[in-house]
Amino acid sequence: EDQVTQSPEALRLQEGESSSLNCSYTVSGLRGLFWYRQDPGKGPEFLFTLYSAGEEKEKERLKATLTKKESFLHITAPKPEDSATYLCAVHPADRGSTLGRLYFGRGTQLTVWP
Amino acid sequence: ETGVTQTPRHLVMGMTNKKSLKCEQHLGHNAMYWYKQSAKKPLELMFVYNFKEQTENNSVPSRFSPECPNSSHLFLHLHTLQPEDSALYLCASSQNTGDDQPQHFGDGTRLSIL
Repeated sequence: EDQVTQSPEALRLQEGESSSLNCSYTVSGLRGLFWYRQDPGKGPEFLFTLYSAGEEKEKERLKATLTKKESFLHITAPKPEDSATYLCAVHPADRGSTLGRLYFGRGTQLTVWP
Repeated sequence: ETGVTQTPRHLVMGMTNKKSLKCEQHLGHNAMYWYKQSAKKPLELMFVYNFKEQTENNSVPSRFSPECPNSSHLFLHLHTLQPEDSALYLCASSQNTGDDQPQHFGDGTRLSIL
């Protein structure tokens, strides 16, 4: 069973059409939640870290928010160059977890067409 | 340029071959990781090294053998692989495993087993 679930699996938006991606997690405590962007043929590129409920981070057209059991990545007025797979990962806080071990979701594949 | 370089970018090998994947990081980090990325699956952690010491082996088959000679270099030695081992192998690094700083990824080695 996945500890991190991302939805939707795929999302197609017209340029300028804002939307949100969801990441929910089942781990009991959180050291950090990370958002990454991955382009075809490339490794994941770090976007944001969120540490506690209520926290928000912004970068250009992207804004990440965190609640107790989920995070949202809001994309405002997207452009075709925002097309990529967006990955969410959590670093659990419970004592049974190996330090540094991240649990990843399967990703949301975003396509923005002109 | 992410600061994490992986070579080779592509590798095709037979099931009886022996090959090695290399990862080098120029970020001054102390922790390094190997991940496996297969289609439609979450990134799967394989090994964790912190200050050159292995701190996690995520039940990886012995046909995968990691080596970390120093904090900047990480290798994955491969022998007698199976077709299901075909995947993208990603290396990542972070400041160390005990803090909550993000992991930074290389662009991976695309491995195909004939």
